[in-house]
Amino acid sequence: AQSVTQLGSHVSVSEGALVLLRCNYSSSVPPYLFWYVQYPNQGLQLLLKYTTGATLVKGINGFEAEFKKSETSFHLTKPSAHMSDAAEYFCAGGLEAAGNKLTFGGGTRVLVKP
Amino acid sequence: DTEVTQTPKHLVMGMTNKKSLKCEQHMGHRAMYWYKQKAKKPPELMFVYSYEKLSINESVPSRFSPECPNSSLLNLHLHALQPEDSALYLCASKREKGDTEAFFGQGTRLTVV
Repeated sequence: AQSVTQLGSHVSVSEGALVLLRCNYSSSVPPYLFWYVQYPNQGLQLLLKYTTGATLVKGINGFEAEFKKSETSFHLTKPSAHMSDAAEYFCAGGLEAAGNKLTFGGGTRVLVKP
Repeated sequence: DTEVTQTPKHLVMGMTNKKSLKCEQHMGHRAMYWYKQKAKKPPELMFVYSYEKLSINESVPSRFSPECPNSSLLNLHLHALQPEDSALYLCASKREKGDTEAFFGQGTRLTVV
């Protein structure tokens, strides 16, 4: 079975500061990993994904994430926060053996202070 | 076209009503999903359709009845819902291959009164 854990349900950053959102997974086989962003009363939008190959993945809106197998982590970062980054962020994982089932972490709400 | 379209955007229904949520995509995706999302929580998987056949039912109560009439459409029929069923219902689709991402619709905000 696979699980995805996001450390910290809320993160507060100042505008221009580094954004770091943590995601860890547990499975016997490295999963496919995704970061999604959700704005209020909206659906989920893909920020980036890791499948195979390069472990540093760049996404939209200046976000990137690094897959670290040794740490079973897939943390999301952005060097400089913008007010528009205030949203809910979800890490999600999928396993080929699990068919098309995505497992979501609990989510992290990002607040950006001016 | 990379959109998943859900209708209606908002729905208020009584506990004795019958209503349906609709989802449509034209990306040729053969896996389609229904998720339920309560406030400040992650989406919870309800159903997965693969090639128009129900492949996963996460022990959802029978008052929720999914239907996949063709490869582009997904419906969720609602009957005799409870107030605790009020939530944002999200539809998603993806290609069958495991490493591809799911595309989400904007959701239907359902309120049961």
